Amino acid sequence: DTGVSQDPRHKITKRGQNVTFRCDPISEHNRLYWYRQTLGQGPEFLTYFQNEAQLEKSRLLSDRFSAERPKGSFSTLEIQRTEQGDSAMYLCASSNGGDTQYFGPGTRLTVL
Amino acid sequence: AQSVTQLGSHVSVSEGALVLLRCNYSSSVPPYLFWYVQYPNQGLQLLLKYTSAATLVKGINGFEAEFKKSETSFHLTKPSAHMSDAAEYFCAVSYTGGGNKLTFGTGTQLKVEL
Repeated sequence: DTGVSQDPRHKITKRGQNVTFRCDPISEHNRLYWYRQTLGQGPEFLTYFQNEAQLEKSRLLSDRFSAERPKGSFSTLEIQRTEQGDSAMYLCASSNGGDTQYFGPGTRLTVL
Repeated sequence: AQSVTQLGSHVSVSEGALVLLRCNYSSSVPPYLFWYVQYPNQGLQLLLKYTSAATLVKGINGFEAEFKKSETSFHLTKPSAHMSDAAEYFCAVSYTGGGNKLTFGTGTQLKVEL
């Protein structure tokens, strides 16, 4: 069990550029969650997958955001045409379908 | 809909003093309740959880929390604060039917002073 990993840890981009983040869950965890955390706030749910199926998306996930989990293992979160308001920490978590989620270290996005 | 309210965005205690971080929840179905800790520029680490078993829950690093349904509370305590406890603490709620997605409070920054 190597824990949840996320890549990159930090990303600085210019407004209007596209960015993609990757999350590798704990091996054999069938559920994967994405959250966004802005400064001074708690994490907010974005979306989750059970295996490769995306089962729920928050209203926070605008059309510029897309998430995939093509083979039910790692997941990617893409933001198109980034805006300054997208600056945040993006957290990934995984679970075996039970009540406990294990979080990765997060990807901090800064949009200039 | 579920929600969590954490009273006090900043709490300061002396080393060795009691730590009390407050959390109240709102849920229309039996909730699962969690406390997570976050150190600067890191992800969240689970401290403890309540999932309808014992109402007094013990977690890591000497923390514990008591689920009080009548007060809709799940306050976090530690008898004696240590410098290493300085961090941000988040209370969260989920339930099985909602895919177990977590709804977090706004967090409490704990400062431990000598």
